[in-house]
Formats: sequence, C-alpha cells, structure tokens
Amino acid sequence: EAQVTQNPRYLITVTGKKLTVTCSQNMNHEYMSWYRQDPGLGLRQIYYSMNVEVTDKGDVPEGYKVSRKEKRNFPLILESPSPNQTSLYFCASSLTATGKHEQFFGPGTRLTVL
Amino acid sequence: GQSLEQPSEVTAVEGAIVQINCTYQTSGFYGLSWYQQHDGGAPTFLSYNALDGLEETGRFSSFLSRSDSYGYLLLQELQMKDSASYFCAWGNTDKLIFGTGTRLQVFP
Repeated sequence: EAQVTQNPRYLITVTGKKLTVTCSQNMNHEYMSWYRQDPGLGLRQIYYSMNVEVTDKGDVPEGYKVSRKEKRNFPLILESPSPNQTSLYFCASSLTATGKHEQFFGPGTRLTVL
Repeated sequence: GQSLEQPSEVTAVEGAIVQINCTYQTSGFYGLSWYQQHDGGAPTFLSYNALDGLEETGRFSSFLSRSDSYGYLLLQELQMKDSASYFCAWGNTDKLIFGTGTRLQVFP
C-alpha cells in the first residue's frame, strides 16, 4: 500500500530533551516536507526536501533540523524542544511528474512539550 | 507577506451546494490546491488549478481567477461525510502555503 508513515504518533516530552520524529514514504517521491498544524493557524511548512541531500527552510524552521540521507526517509529533529513546539506535525511527500502537485500526508504526530 | 484568506466556518444541509472561497496575496504564482481534513485525520488532496477556470472532479469543482487572486471550491450534493475542514494552498510541489482553513458542517 502506498503510504507515508510517521513515528511516533503521540509523544509527550520535557523541555530540552532531544527528540526525532521519523517519516518514511514508499512511493519513490522526490519531494518531502514537514508541517506543523496549530489551531487557527492552519498548516505551516517547517522544512522541505527536493531530493536526497537537498533541503530548504519553509516558513517556520526555527528550532528544527532535518536530514535527507535516503530518498524514502525524512526525519524531523528537535534538538532542544520548547513548549511552543507543542503541535500536531505532518510529514508529506509528493511527485511532480503527474503535474497535479499532490502532496500525500502521513497520519500526524501529536507532540506535547512540558 | 504571503497569505491566503478563507471563511472560518460554513454550514449547509445534505444535498445542498456550498462554495468555499479563498483569496490570496502572494508574490508570483504557481497554482492553487485544495485539501480536505477530517477531525483527527491527515489532509488529503482534492484538486489543483494551475490555470484560470474550472476543474471538476466528481462532486467537487475548483475554480481559479489569477487576475482576481481568487479561487473557490464548490461542493455539490453535499453528504454528511463532507463535514470536514477545507484548506486552500498556494505553491508548487515543494513549497506550499496553506490558508487557515474553513470548517464545513453538513446537517441532515
């Protein structure tokens, strides 16, 4: 089944404790992105990647890191989480060949930073 | 800055037609997409308009007017399962800016 997976789905942590949220897609998509979703603010792009070893900042990159060492994986790293990073996080992947610019989203990771 | 504005909430009854508007202020143009998100779920792609005009996909249609910086999503023959949030998004495959979303409630 074609899909984007994220782990963990739920995470409660404390301020300053480094964490990684994994994202993997099995559709051989070149593009992958991370978004955070907060009430009243919609989805905001954190980072995106156009291919292996090619990443760029989105609109809200502060406090986050990403890496793209393999085409299928795009982990999101919070080196020192803070309470304002409490949010719902979505990973997405996409393929431009279809011309539709459709992004496929993972199920989401709900993060709480205490 | 770049922004997309949508009404926060729309209500309608089953079988009706509803239009969700999106006005945007952006530099340059790529295309306007629409996504649906049910409570607790992930956004799912509905449509993409690269050019002016109407795109139809089953009960859903999307319209774009680049000269007016305006688009809309039209949902016909509403069903209870259409109750969800709908987001317009500007950009292309890699860089995407979302509107704040419109919550659609469908009543029997």
